[in-house]
Amino acid sequence: GQNIDQPTEMTATEGAIVQINCTYQTSGFNGLFWYQQHAGEAPTFLSYNVLDGLEEKGRFSSFLSRSKGYSYLLLKELQMKDSASYLCAVREALSYNTDKLIFGTGTRLQVFP
Amino acid sequence: DADVTQTPRNRITKTGKRIMLECSQTKGHDRMYWYRQDPGLGLRLIYYSFDVKDINKGEISDGYSVSRQAQAKFSLSLESAIPNQTALYFCATSGRTGRETQYFGPGTRLLVL
Repeated sequence: GQNIDQPTEMTATEGAIVQINCTYQTSGFNGLFWYQQHAGEAPTFLSYNVLDGLEEKGRFSSFLSRSKGYSYLLLKELQMKDSASYLCAVREALSYNTDKLIFGTGTRLQVFP
Repeated sequence: DADVTQTPRNRITKTGKRIMLECSQTKGHDRMYWYRQDPGLGLRLIYYSFDVKDINKGEISDGYSVSRQAQAKFSLSLESAIPNQTALYFCATSGRTGRETQYFGPGTRLLVL
């Protein structure tokens, strides 16, 4: 079956670094996405990993280990505007050229001054 | 103008009523999706469509139906609304390439009394 786990809530201080973990169990793994979602708004794309290793994009980085079924999102130099939910989503292949996203329940991050 | 639009943005209806949520996109994507989001449950896939002639059920399709009227339009209907369909509904689109993320509409907040 499919299972994606991430912590429900995290808190951090402005200027700090925070790591949000995601573990998954799924068949037909075909990539992992991280999205940011502010309360009441649409999710927006942050990063995509399909190969093992670290992808860096400004203050945000994402890591993937396929053998461990593990990913993390690293946020550096936290700002107040980073207070949001962070969604881990696994891309699962259904058949040739078709797939769907399975979402975790999200991690609500609160950044304090 | 937004690439993915949803109407209405907010809707209050009564149990037993039929309602339709509409989604339009200008991104030229073939793939479109409907999700619902509930607190603590994350985003769950209701229906998805990979082209105009293709409709597929997601994990929670009971009580819902969809229509893909054109490449750019994908509508979700609740034939007889019930209170546990109260949720935030998102439409999303994506292209066909492997790294393509999904782009989400702004959401429709539905309350069924």
